[in-house]
Amino acid sequence: SFELIQPPSVTVSPGQTATITCSGDKLGDKYVSWYQHKPGRTPMVVIYQDDKWPSGIPDRFSGSNSGNTATLTISGTQSLDEADYYCQAWDVNTPGIFGGGTKLTV
Amino acid sequence: EVQLEQSGAEVKKPGESLKISCKDSGDTFGTYWIGWVRQVPGKGLECMGIIYPGDSDTRYTPSFQGQVTISADKSTGTAYLQWNRLKASDTGIYYCARRFNSAFDNWGQGTLVTVSS
Repeated sequence: SFELIQPPSVTVSPGQTATITCSGDKLGDKYVSWYQHKPGRTPMVVIYQDDKWPSGIPDRFSGSNSGNTATLTISGTQSLDEADYYCQAWDVNTPGIFGGGTKLTV
Repeated sequence: EVQLEQSGAEVKKPGESLKISCKDSGDTFGTYWIGWVRQVPGKGLECMGIIYPGDSDTRYTPSFQGQVTISADKSTGTAYLQWNRLKASDTGIYYCARRFNSAFDNWGQGTLVTVSS
């Protein structure tokens, strides 16, 4: 069955660039979205359709997807970016599959 | 604007049934897919399935097929997630969310389900 693999944790210093990867077979053929999830809060999409920003999301967040790997990049990481991040892959009209999540520590 | 309002927290015993709801207070219900997402304590997000209320087309993630039932009532703008026989392992937070542009862009506040004897 299709799986998405994320690193369990990423640590970055404030102001530096955080990179979170998401790997899956032929992932580049699917649309990928990324979600930020803070404790006690509702998940929030930060990137959709591989590299697009929802309204209100700062352009410090960027995404790419090619081959077997999608990447979420957070430039100039701030303490408020500390959260769990999940990738999600979609085929047409199928339930999206989530990756296992990455805990970002700033 | 889509606003998804979920039903309140539930405490149930193993073997009991449960149906939780997700109501869209806007006027576009039926024109987009709605998904149900589970988060069990200490674990990540899992998409259980999606439904298109316009025609009730429902797609389940294989691990949830046969374990839950997803339904929707277009006339009331409400989606549902139902269990016939709850297990302790069903304890978790359940979110509904709108799928738009290949992402869950709008989420309900979550419903905490606790299953304990």
